[in-house]
Amino acid sequence: DAKTTQPTSMDCAEGRAANLPCNHSTISGNEYVYWYRQIHSQGPQYIIHGLKNNETNEMASLIITEDRKSSTLILPHATLRDTAVYYCIVRVANTDKLIFGTGTRLQVFP
Amino acid sequence: EAQVTQNPRYLITVTGKKLTVTCSQNMNHEYMSWYRQDPGLGLRQIYYSMNVEVTDKGDVPEGYKVSRKEKRNFPLILESPSPNQTSLYFCASSWGGAYNSPLHFGNGTRLTVT
Repeated sequence: DAKTTQPTSMDCAEGRAANLPCNHSTISGNEYVYWYRQIHSQGPQYIIHGLKNNETNEMASLIITEDRKSSTLILPHATLRDTAVYYCIVRVANTDKLIFGTGTRLQVFP
Repeated sequence: EAQVTQNPRYLITVTGKKLTVTCSQNMNHEYMSWYRQDPGLGLRQIYYSMNVEVTDKGDVPEGYKVSRKEKRNFPLILESPSPNQTSLYFCASSWGGAYNSPLHFGNGTRLTVT
């Protein structure tokens, strides 16, 4: 199964960039990397996804290494409202099953 | 407004009393899925559906049933709930297969089984 490994928690100062790493060393060539976040117990919110190339949208940037075994989500200017649990997930090969790990709890402080 | 709607938001029931949690989406999505979330275990997939009348087991399907008679609805059924099914449940949908399009999640159903 394509599994992900993330640090349990991270801190970031408000206004600074938050860089959240994710390891997915068993990812297959056609599997996408997705990032979601969850604030309190609300439903997870989609942030960004990518396959090979780096991606950027209004929320974040996604940097995927050339061998695709790891990626980094970048929140360029973190705010207090970015405090949440961030999940990096990949699709299980040959199925539509998604495996969420336990995520990274990002705490943004003033 | 495009959304996934779950009902109820909160539910307290007793062991063995059948219950249904409804999920509806208004985006004409083909893919729908149910997850449960427990402390320290993250989100675990229960069942998913690629389209009408097509359902498959996720990682933790025991004790649950689903049906997909219409594209917009994907109810989660607990025929005989037990206390270990006390959890926070999320329904999600996406266009096409989940791997190539973002999932949209509902706001969750907090279930307590006593």
